[in-house]
Formats: sequence, structure tokens, C-alpha cells
Amino acid sequence: DVKVTQSSRYLVKRTGEKVFLECVQDMDHENMFWYRQDPGLGLRLIYFSYDVKMKEKGDIPEGYSVSREKKERFSLILESASTNQTSMYLCASRDSFGGAEAFFGQGTRLTVV
Amino acid sequence: DQQVKQNSPSLSVQEGRISILNCDYTNSMFDYFLWYKKYPAEGPTFLISISSIKDKNEDGRFTVFLNKSAKHLSLHIVPSQPGDSAVYFCAASSTGTYKYIFGTGTRLKVLA
Repeated sequence: DVKVTQSSRYLVKRTGEKVFLECVQDMDHENMFWYRQDPGLGLRLIYFSYDVKMKEKGDIPEGYSVSREKKERFSLILESASTNQTSMYLCASRDSFGGAEAFFGQGTRLTVV
Repeated sequence: DQQVKQNSPSLSVQEGRISILNCDYTNSMFDYFLWYKKYPAEGPTFLISISSIKDKNEDGRFTVFLNKSAKHLSLHIVPSQPGDSAVYFCAASSTGTYKYIFGTGTRLKVLA
């Protein structure tokens, strides 16, 4: 059974903290993604990675960075957390350019206070 | 600019009836489309997909229709069941790109 695992289901952090969200996939997928989901805005792409150490900005990269040192692991970093980064964060992985579905993790509900 | 639009934020349907969820897109380069279902506090799960070379794909109670000229796709659920109550997202991709563009979602409520 395919699996994308996010390290935390719920997280509460203080404004200004550096926050790490971890994601691991066991499907040997090249492509990994970080989305955030907000009411009325759907899923918005923050960053994606198409190979180890390769990354590209998505639609809303400001305030975030990512790291992919190993194929199976993709980390999202909030450099200095702010209250407008309170959201549901979703990691996904996908096998090939086209004709393949993306598999999602269970999500991390992050609250910044 | 929203390339994938789901104009109905919510939909209520009686159990046993048909649910029709709609999605419009603007980018004519999109050639692969998917529907995902999401329960609260869970990640989205894949439901069904369709390639632009087809106009219909069916999987059990779920059928997706694609109208390329209108840049429109729809998901039909027949018969609807209370367990189908969730948020449904459509997503689009084009060959040679890595990412999916998601719509804003439609919350479906199936009434028992």
C-alpha cells in the first residue's frame, strides 16, 4: 500500500519560530509537492521538487523554503512563522510527468499564535 | 488568475439521487484531469481521472465527463450515499509539467 507520511498531524507554534514540516514517501517517486489548503482557496502549491536537491517555486513560495536531500524525504521550512501561515499543509508525491495521480499525506494542521 | 475553477462552493443532494460536480478550466494545454475527495483532517484521496483523448471515464458509481471545446469537466456520482459527503477537488495537469493545478473545491453533502 502506497504511503506518504507527514511527521505531525497537529502543530502549534509561536510567531517568529522556525518551523519544520517533514514528509516521507515510500513509493520511490521523483516528484514531491507541498500544498496548503485554506477555506475558499482550495489547494495552493507552495514548492515542488522533481529530483533530489532540485526544487521549484510554486504559486505561493513567500515565507517558505524547502529541502530535499534524499529522494524519499521533502521538508517544508517556515523561516519565521507568522499568523497568516496558519493552515492545513499537505505533502504529495507523484511518479511521472503525466498520466499519474498524486498521493497525499494525511496533512498537518499548523496553528501559529 | 485561477486556471481551474469550481464555481459551486457547496452542493446538497438526497441519498440515492445523482450528484453532479462541475469544474471549468482556462488553460488549453491541460490534457489530464483528476478528481480528489477530501474528508476533514485527512489528506485528499484520488477518485478518478480522465485524459484529454477521452470524453468519458467510468469507475463504479463515479463517472467523469470532459468537454474540451467548453473547457469543462464534471463528476457524476450515482447513486449518492451519505459516505460521499466530503469536499471534492478537481485538478488539471499538462504533459511535460510536474504539477497539478487544483480548483477551490465543492463541499458535497448527501442527506439521508
